[in-house]
Amino acid sequence: GEDVEQSLFLSVREGDSSVINCTYTDSSSTYLYWYKQEPGAGLQLLTYIFSNMDMKQDQRLTVLLNKKDKHLSLRIADTQTGDSAIYFCAEGSNGGSQGNLIFGKGTKLSVKP
Amino acid sequence: NAGVTQTPKFQVLKTGQSMTLQCAQDMNHEYMSWYRQDPGMGLRLIHYSVGAGITDQGEVPNGYNVSRSTTEDFPLRLLSAAPSQTSVYFCASSDSGDSYNEQFFGPGTRLTVL
Repeated sequence: GEDVEQSLFLSVREGDSSVINCTYTDSSSTYLYWYKQEPGAGLQLLTYIFSNMDMKQDQRLTVLLNKKDKHLSLRIADTQTGDSAIYFCAEGSNGGSQGNLIFGKGTKLSVKP
Repeated sequence: NAGVTQTPKFQVLKTGQSMTLQCAQDMNHEYMSWYRQDPGMGLRLIHYSVGAGITDQGEVPNGYNVSRSTTEDFPLRLLSAAPSQTSVYFCASSDSGDSYNEQFFGPGTRLTVL
């Protein structure tokens, strides 16, 4: 069945780069997403990548997609304390799933000053 | 725009009680969905709707009912609350059911069932 796996915790120092990894199983996934959840809040879309792309960069965020290995990563450059949150990887397909997303369990990023 | 709003923010129920979690959006989105989030878990889809009058089950629908009489509102009903339904519930909406459309999430309802 469909599954999305992420490591649960990541701790970095302020100013370092953070890399959050994700693997997924559904080869028909059309879009892959990164959502951010701050404490006590809902999820907010950070970025997404279409499955025919290898890389997408958006300011401090870089998304890498290895479709062969079904591996997705999110790199945050110059990590700040405000980046402390839970980051969810999610996969989605067009068509029959009607936009339903399959989420990973989330990676809790802690940024130490 | 208020976006996606959810009420109440917090709720405590006793086992066997029923209640309705409210969700509303003012973006004229066709697609709405309900997820639950449990500690150490991702979000799991409970029910979703692709438009007024149309609903369908997600991954974990048992114990929940939904209806979609208007585009704006998508309430989630707990028929007879159980401790296993203690969770944080998120409502989301998007322009259509296609996955390239961003899903907008509400702030969540924290439910405790004693």
